[in-house]
Amino acid sequence: DQQVKQNSPSLSVQEGRISILNCDYTNSMFDYFLWYKKYPAEGPTFLISISSIKDKNEDGRFTVFLNKSAKHLSLHIVPSQPGDSAVYFCAASESLGGSEKLVFGKGTKLTVNP
Amino acid sequence: GAGVSQSPSNKVTEKGKDVELRCDPISGHTALYWYRQSLGQGLEFLIYFQGNSAPDKSGLPSDRFSAERTGGSVSTLTIQRTQQEDSAVYLCASSLAASGSLNTQYFGPGTRLTVL
Repeated sequence: DQQVKQNSPSLSVQEGRISILNCDYTNSMFDYFLWYKKYPAEGPTFLISISSIKDKNEDGRFTVFLNKSAKHLSLHIVPSQPGDSAVYFCAASESLGGSEKLVFGKGTKLTVNP
Repeated sequence: GAGVSQSPSNKVTEKGKDVELRCDPISGHTALYWYRQSLGQGLEFLIYFQGNSAPDKSGLPSDRFSAERTGGSVSTLTIQRTQQEDSAVYLCASSLAASGSLNTQYFGPGTRLTVL
């Protein structure tokens, strides 16, 4: 049973436009959410995170939105650049769960076309 | 370097052999995690160490898998009697602690294991 779902395996956008990557979760105990970016043959790189007490967190071109009632979060990249082309993973953790393991989605491959 | 390092970067082994994968976390990080990513899948949690506490082994897929963390730093993941389904990229991550925002995990480059 997948607790974190990224339903779009791929997304293609034009350079300069907005990229929106979506993520849904089922475990209402999740209270910390992260986005990672992964290039081929490299480990995931931390991008941005959000605590469940917030609904928005912004860092430069990257903004994460959290809708707790819908159990949905999204990552907005604007403007998109060709160097943003990578696989993006959504992850969630449960602070009070004891283990703090991250539960990952299967990823969305973003391609930004020049 | 300041990041998480893993060795070897690639490992090819024959079915039935044992393998050891190594992880050096970021200095000062008390929490260390092992994940694996099989082809076309997301990252799957394997095991977690936090300080001197007993590790959380809930993600280990079978008793052929084990891990230890010596001196609260370096960790070794051992897979005994490897099977072809063990082929995956094994990723190690570390974080300052295991609480809320301190649980931002930083990943190493991974070890690609191929079992023939």
